[in-house]
Amino acid sequence: AQSVAQPEDQVNVAEGNPLTVKCTYSVSGNPYLFWYVQYPNRGLQFLLKYITGDNLVKGSYGFEAEFNKSQTSFHLKKPSALVSDSALYFCAATGRRALTFGSGTRLQVQP
Amino acid sequence: DADVTQTPRNRITKTGKRIMLECSQTKGHDRMYWYRQDPGLGLRLIYYSFDVKDINKGEISDGYSVSRQAQAKFSLSLESAIPNQTALYFCATSDSWGQGTETQYFGPGTRLLVL
Repeated sequence: AQSVAQPEDQVNVAEGNPLTVKCTYSVSGNPYLFWYVQYPNRGLQFLLKYITGDNLVKGSYGFEAEFNKSQTSFHLKKPSALVSDSALYFCAATGRRALTFGSGTRLQVQP
Repeated sequence: DADVTQTPRNRITKTGKRIMLECSQTKGHDRMYWYRQDPGLGLRLIYYSFDVKDINKGEISDGYSVSRQAQAKFSLSLESAIPNQTALYFCATSDSWGQGTETQYFGPGTRLLVL
């Protein structure tokens, strides 16, 4: 069975500082990995995905994620956080048919 | 995403009542999904449909049923609602070309409270 772990319930960072939101996965075969963001009272929005190729994936709003096969990780990063990045972030993984989501990490960016 | 709509947006019901949540999409996607979101648990898959004739149970299908009335419509029913079905429910869609690599597009969610 596939699984996704987001070890931090909440990440706090000051505006302008770099941010990292952690994700590890367990998937049979080649993993397809995703990050989604949820703003208050909204559905999930797609940020980026890793399918194959370059281990560093660039996505929307200046976010990027690094795929590390040996550590089975797919951490989300941004060089300089904005207050508007404050939201709930979900990592997801699939082998083929259906996505498995992590429990989510709340990112709080302080002014 | 405005191309995926859910009705109602909020619903309060009583234990034992039957309710239906509806999802419509104008994206022309073949695949549709129902998830529930609970605090600290993330999103869990209830049912998914890869086309009108292909419906599959997800991780937590007990107590739920679905109907795929057309490519654009996918309804979720709670036959006899119970309080632990209180949650935020999301519908999502994706196209069918990716063999798992496709992006899912989510509706705005339905907040359900079962008393």
